[in-house]
Amino acid sequence: NAGVTQTPKFQVLKTGQSMTLQCAQDMNHNSMYWYRQDPGMGLRLIYYSASEGTTDKGEVPNGYNVSRLNKREFSLRLESAAPSQTSVYFCASTQGWGQPRRNYGYTFGSGTRLTVV
Amino acid sequence: AQTVTQSQPEMSVQEAETVTLSCTYDTSESNYYLFWYKQPPSRQMILVIRQEAYKQQNATENRFSVNFQKAAKSFSLKISDSQLGDTAMYFCAFIAYSGAGSYQLTFGKGTKLSVIP
Repeated sequence: NAGVTQTPKFQVLKTGQSMTLQCAQDMNHNSMYWYRQDPGMGLRLIYYSASEGTTDKGEVPNGYNVSRLNKREFSLRLESAAPSQTSVYFCASTQGWGQPRRNYGYTFGSGTRLTVV
Repeated sequence: AQTVTQSQPEMSVQEAETVTLSCTYDTSESNYYLFWYKQPPSRQMILVIRQEAYKQQNATENRFSVNFQKAAKSFSLKISDSQLGDTAMYFCAFIAYSGAGSYQLTFGKGTKLSVIP
């Protein structure tokens, strides 16, 4: 089925370890995003890539890096994990605004539950 | 900066009854879209309904409808004939187009809805 695929679904890290969360979409979307979800905080944007070859910081970028590998794939890296990065991470994609300026919403992956101990 | 406020952290409704979830937003943009997303215990983010700001007519999707009050910057979700499967977190979200393009979907903190048998 077409959509956004995130791996892994669950991960436990020790403080200071590094890891990369993978995201791929097969809908030919231009824009991709990484959000984190914490209790009582809703979803907050970490980084986004408006189009292939570009990346920009969102609301909470500290401690993370991203790579837009190609149009399909957008990865999120934690170089030195901290307990404050314990969260559920969502990747999302959208076609963007197009012409005329219409937005049809985002498609989300199923999330990665990350625990840093 | 855009903000989205959901003032009801938790709500409950009897099965088959109607419930309304509130959302207000703040923006100076004129071209924007509003969304309601549902997040059941499975964690998947599911688009429920979408409203274009330039349309005066309220969006409807089966049992889901919105009351969009542009002047008041209010966007409430009404769920009719509530079903047990409607139990979930509901997030209001906003995106605006401005100039070179805006790519950030901003979320409220969510309302946890419980449908009681």
